[in-house]
Amino acid sequence: GEQVEQRPPHLSVREGDSAVITCTYTDPNSYYFFWYKQEPGASLQLLMKVFSSTEINEGQGFTVLLNKKDKRLSLNLTAAHPGDSAAYFCAVSGGASSSFSKLVFGQGTSLSVVP
Amino acid sequence: EAAVTQSPRNKVAVTGGKVTLSCNQTNNHNNMYWYRQDTGHGLRLIHYSYGAGSTEKGDIPDGYKASRPSQENFSLILELATPSQTSVYFCASGAAGTGEQYFGPGTRLTVL
Repeated sequence: GEQVEQRPPHLSVREGDSAVITCTYTDPNSYYFFWYKQEPGASLQLLMKVFSSTEINEGQGFTVLLNKKDKRLSLNLTAAHPGDSAAYFCAVSGGASSSFSKLVFGQGTSLSVVP
Repeated sequence: EAAVTQSPRNKVAVTGGKVTLSCNQTNNHNNMYWYRQDTGHGLRLIHYSYGAGSTEKGDIPDGYKASRPSQENFSLILELATPSQTSVYFCASGAAGTGEQYFGPGTRLTVL
């Protein structure tokens, strides 16, 4: 079935610096791609959804890049601030080995933004 | 107003006891899901449902049952709880065919 590898597991950056989290997946038929944010002790919040090879800037200080040729999804925090400190998860759905209704999650990245 | 709610938020159970975790959604989504989250494993799918009366096994269904009596409600049942089921459990709902899922606040379960 679909495998999603997320790197790095832990990331510490200084305030104002950029932070990049990357996921690779195995099923070339995967269709929907998501990023979730989980603050400590809280639930998962949907950050953004992408489904075409495009660069998207949601205006929240994040850029998402999907490269279907390389089967790679990345989240780039362009100027991190302490409020970005959280766990981030990528998720993939719609591949031939799953369905549009099931998500396969990456293992998560714990981001710490130091003032 | 929260669209996916879970109860209880915290639960301590004894080994061998029965535990029921409840989830309610007001999104009018067809699909509902139960996950557990453990350090080092991310989120793992236990059971899911496509609508009232349906339940499907996820990736780690052993030791768990699920019940979907209505569009709004989805329960996870541990008939004989074990310490290995100590975890944080999340319920989610999603519209069919979109992939998007919206999560509840989670239930922290401790089995002693």
